[in-house]
Amino acid sequence: AQKVTQAQTEISVVEKEDVTLDCVYETRDTTYYLFWYKQPPSGELVFLIRRNSFDEQNEISGRYSWNFQKSTSSFNFTITASQVVDSAVYFCALSNYNTDKLIFGTGTRLQVFP
Amino acid sequence: SQTIHQWPATLVQPVGSPLSLECTVEGTSNPNLYWYRQAAGRGLQLLFYSVGIGQISSEVPQNLSASRPQDRQFILSSKKLLLSDSGFYLCAWSVLKGTDTQYFGPGTRLTVL
Repeated sequence: AQKVTQAQTEISVVEKEDVTLDCVYETRDTTYYLFWYKQPPSGELVFLIRRNSFDEQNEISGRYSWNFQKSTSSFNFTITASQVVDSAVYFCALSNYNTDKLIFGTGTRLQVFP
Repeated sequence: SQTIHQWPATLVQPVGSPLSLECTVEGTSNPNLYWYRQAAGRGLQLLFYSVGIGQISSEVPQNLSASRPQDRQFILSSKKLLLSDSGFYLCAWSVLKGTDTQYFGPGTRLTVL
């Protein structure tokens, strides 16, 4: 069975704090893809990153970084020096060639206060 | 570049009324298209996906249906809305099926009263 767990329902931080959003996944496939999306208050899902199961290198994009660890089936997302504009719901998702669709976690709501 | 449009942006409908939500994609050919629903404060549920004109796969049995009359047009319909149909409806597209990145539209917020 394929599953994505985002155990943190809501996180509140003060601006400039670093924050990590956890994502744990389950799959029996050796080839799979992991994603992160951001959903700001406007509602549209914004694509952030796609990572395949054979690439365990950490990724950094500006203040965003992702830590992929197959040993713990985790794909965590860290925002460094958070800003109010980072306030949103963040979704982690999983896909593979067997499911033909994205399997989303339940999302983590991040609130960044000034 | 590719863009995806959805309309209307918001809709308030009475129970039992029909529904038609439209999604169109520009800048790409033969996209895979998806309809998702997000109930208030909850995650995303895949409703339908389509790999081509007239080809619709349903993920959840319900009173909704989908159609793809043109390559880049995807329509979500209902003959009679239920209260439980309220939610945020998102359309998405991808180049390849399944493992490819899906890009989402701005969404339609539907309230059934």
